[in-house]
Amino acid sequence: QVQLVQSGAEVKKPGSSVKVSCKAPGGTFSNYGISWVRQAPGQGLEWMGRVIPILDVANYAQQFQGRVTITADKSTGTAYLEFNSLRSEDTAVYFCARDLEYSNSAVQFFDSWGQGTLVTVSS
Amino acid sequence: SSELTQDPAVSVALGQTVRITCQGDSLRRYYASWYRQKPGQAPVLVIYGKNNRPSGIPDRFSGSNSGNTASLTITGAQAEDEADYYCNSRDSSGYHLVFGGGTKLTVL
Repeated sequence: QVQLVQSGAEVKKPGSSVKVSCKAPGGTFSNYGISWVRQAPGQGLEWMGRVIPILDVANYAQQFQGRVTITADKSTGTAYLEFNSLRSEDTAVYFCARDLEYSNSAVQFFDSWGQGTLVTVSS
Repeated sequence: SSELTQDPAVSVALGQTVRITCQGDSLRRYYASWYRQKPGQAPVLVIYGKNNRPSGIPDRFSGSNSGNTASLTITGAQAEDEADYYCNSRDSSGYHLVFGGGTKLTVL
C-alpha cells in the first residue's frame, strides 16, 4: 500500500491552533483527494473533510465547518489540516487518507492512510 | 449520531463465518467501503465497491449489498481478524463522507 507520511505529535493549549501535514509518496497527488479523519481516545473514526488538489476544492463535515481548513500544496505533494480554537475534546489522533472515487462517485474509498498524528489539547 | 449504523460488538468462533452489517439510507445509492483497525494502528481497507479486495487482503473477506444494508462477511474467521471494523460511504446528501460507529469483532 502507498504510505502517506504525517508530521509528528503536537501538544496545544485550549484556544490555540494546530497545523498537521501529510506528504504523498513521490511528492505528487496525481488525481486523487486527501481526507482527514480523526479518532478520539477509545472512540470511532470521524470524517472531518477533504481536499481535491487537482481542483483546489475542499469540503468539510458540518461539525467542523468554520474551525477547520484543509489545503494542498501541489508543488510539494503535501496536504495540510489546520484546526483553530482547539478544545480539550479535540484531543485525538488525526489521520490523513488517500481518497479515491469512481463510477460517477457511487464508489468512494480510502486506499491508504498516514500513520496518524496525536494532537493533545491541554492547559 | 452517524448516518451509518453498525452493531457495536460481534463475536465469532474460530473458523466460523461472521457477517458485520452497516445500515443507512445513503447505501441505497452509494456503495460502502470497509476498514479493519487494530489497536494503535491506522485503518486498513479490506473491501470497496460492489465486492473488491485490495491486494494483500485474504479472500475470506467479502462484501455484499441489499437495499439500505451493506455487509462484510468473513468466511472462516482467524484469530488475526480480531479488530474493529468500520464502514464508510457518503451521507444522504451525497456531498459529505461518513463512517459507521464501528463493530468490535471478537474471535473466540
